[in-house]
Amino acid sequence: GQSLEQPSEVTAVEGAIVQINCTYQTSGFYGLSWYQQHDGGAPTFLSYNALDGLEETGRFSSFLSRSDSYGYLLLQELQMKDSASYFCAVSTRYSTLTFGKGTMLLVSP
Amino acid sequence: NAGVTQTPKFRVLKTGQSMTLLCAQDMNHEYMYWYRQDPGMGLRLIHYSVGEGTTAKGEVPDGYNVSRLKKQNFLLGLESAAPSQTSVYFCASSNPRTNYNEQFFGPGTRLTVL
Repeated sequence: GQSLEQPSEVTAVEGAIVQINCTYQTSGFYGLSWYQQHDGGAPTFLSYNALDGLEETGRFSSFLSRSDSYGYLLLQELQMKDSASYFCAVSTRYSTLTFGKGTMLLVSP
Repeated sequence: NAGVTQTPKFRVLKTGQSMTLLCAQDMNHEYMYWYRQDPGMGLRLIHYSVGEGTTAKGEVPDGYNVSRLKKQNFLLGLESAAPSQTSVYFCASSNPRTNYNEQFFGPGTRLTVL
């Protein structure tokens, strides 16, 4: 089976940097994905790490350490619109995803 | 392109009733998925399909059936709805030929079973 752990809530102010950690236990691991969800709407893809290291996409970066079963999502230059839930998800065969319970990010002015 | 669409957006059922949720995608994706999301929870995989005419069970398949008769459509059926199936249902699709594993999600169907 799969299990993922991530903090339930994180708060930060506009312009700051925030890191959301994710640890996982899994079999058949292909990679770690991150998704954003606003107010229960459709989740949207942010990043995917199949190999160890850092992937950067604009203000967002994601890191993976396969040996530590650990990853994180780094959000820089926070904006109010970044207030949302963020999910880490383990990818296995056929690109199926097992999601964590999500981290609610609250960005204040 | 509409991406992934879901029908209906909202539905209220009585216990024991049946219904079918429709998912359609216009991106020619091979893989399609059905998830459910309960309050304060992540999404959980119900069933998935890796191509037309194929389906497979996910993490929480009991009480649901699926069919993929056409590549662009993936149907989720509830034969006898139960209150425990009150949830938000998301459909997703993906292209296995990319190397970044992105799934594209529909807007969701909010189902209440009384």
